[in-house]
Amino acid sequence: RKEVEQDPGPFNVPEGATVAFNCTYSNSASQSFFWYRQDCRKEPKLLMSVYSSGNEDGRFTAQLNRASQYISLLIRDSKLSDSATYLCVVNSNYQLIWGAGTKLIIKP
Amino acid sequence: GAGVSQSPSNKVTEKGKDVELRCDPISGHTALYWYRQSLGQGLEFLIYFQGNSAPDKSGLPSDRFSAERTGGSVSTLTIQRTQQEDSAVYLCASSLRGGNTEAFFGQGTRLTVV
Repeated sequence: RKEVEQDPGPFNVPEGATVAFNCTYSNSASQSFFWYRQDCRKEPKLLMSVYSSGNEDGRFTAQLNRASQYISLLIRDSKLSDSATYLCVVNSNYQLIWGAGTKLIIKP
Repeated sequence: GAGVSQSPSNKVTEKGKDVELRCDPISGHTALYWYRQSLGQGLEFLIYFQGNSAPDKSGLPSDRFSAERTGGSVSTLTIQRTQQEDSAVYLCASSLRGGNTEAFFGQGTRLTVV
């Protein structure tokens, strides 16, 4: 089993819809969690950190479920510009472990 | 301030030649990562440096690959006797304190072995 697992997608979603991704992790001792966004042929960029209490940044909401060992990302009112690959990142043994990413395609 | 800088941005080399890829991390960041990414694929971990600790080399695919980090700052990834399957984007990232803090990426070096 991989340390961090994501549904690779692609998720094809109409503009304006709400979409949610989950990411599961195997190390119960993990303390830090992040979501990154990667556009085609670009480097990954931090989208948001994920806090125990959950956090929101505009249309984006991230949540952590320690009991079930997953984190989630919710995107409301999706825009064409949200089309990208979303990477889940979890710390494990002092390193960052990356999921393979979920591809999101927003259609007009 | 300056972000993570990688050079060269593009490198075309002949099969069998050696290449060196350079990464300048953000000043003060103690952790540095190297990853490889082929088109349409996820990040493949190569090596991790944290402060003065011995690096985690568990992701290096063969003994043709090696990396150094001098003075806790600049890092060089060396690929000896390049093969066509080494063609990929090589990404470097740094973080302030390792796995508990977010990583910032350079723009990568696109390596093409012909």
